[in-house]
Amino acid sequence: DTEVTQTPKHLVMGMTNKKSLKCEQHMGHRAMYWYKQKAKKPPELMFVYSYEKLSINESVPSRFSPECPNSSLLNLHLHALQPEDSALYLCASSHPGTSLYEQYFGPGTRLTVT
Amino acid sequence: AQSVTQLGSHVSVSEGALVLLRCNYSSSVPPYLFWYVQYPNQGLQLLLKYTTGATLVKGINGFEAEFKKSETSFHLTKPSAHMSDAAEYFCAVSDENNAGNMLTFGGGTRLMVKP
Repeated sequence: DTEVTQTPKHLVMGMTNKKSLKCEQHMGHRAMYWYKQKAKKPPELMFVYSYEKLSINESVPSRFSPECPNSSLLNLHLHALQPEDSALYLCASSHPGTSLYEQYFGPGTRLTVT
Repeated sequence: AQSVTQLGSHVSVSEGALVLLRCNYSSSVPPYLFWYVQYPNQGLQLLLKYTTGATLVKGINGFEAEFKKSETSFHLTKPSAHMSDAAEYFCAVSDENNAGNMLTFGGGTRLMVKP
């Protein structure tokens, strides 16, 4: 199984809502990533978890809160978002510690903030 | 710091024609290089990668790329374009010093295939 799954596929939320994005993989990967992708742009790295610990936070606003409850799951909790946060949110996973291994991407969650 | 430049944000070819997508990188150490494809409303899928060894790398869907150190390039080619190749293509670079496995992406090239 070389699949990364993400739910939901689409999400519309108001600026006062709290919602969560979920990502799951069963490839035994111990590194997991959140990316944000705006239209016609490359993905921008937000967070990296390595062995379930947050290893990289690319200066992301605190209204985005990641969580890695176990080695297969990655969540992104959203609160008080702004319209400019509307984007495709991609999850990825890989073996940790070296870039020798490629990242496997999920299909993404299309987020619209109204 | 690493960087990736993809020449041409849009490339249009006729079905059956050669596909050439350009990627140049900068890196102070030997790079690891990747090409990813993204179809509309989907995530990224790895086409091929170069880490060490043979400089001509073959990937999925008939694509290949050649690592040319002297030119700091990793151009993606396919001999004959198919309509299903229409997508966004991203070149990315990393290296062995990158403990966080962080990728630096190019700006992307949208490939259009005309019938």
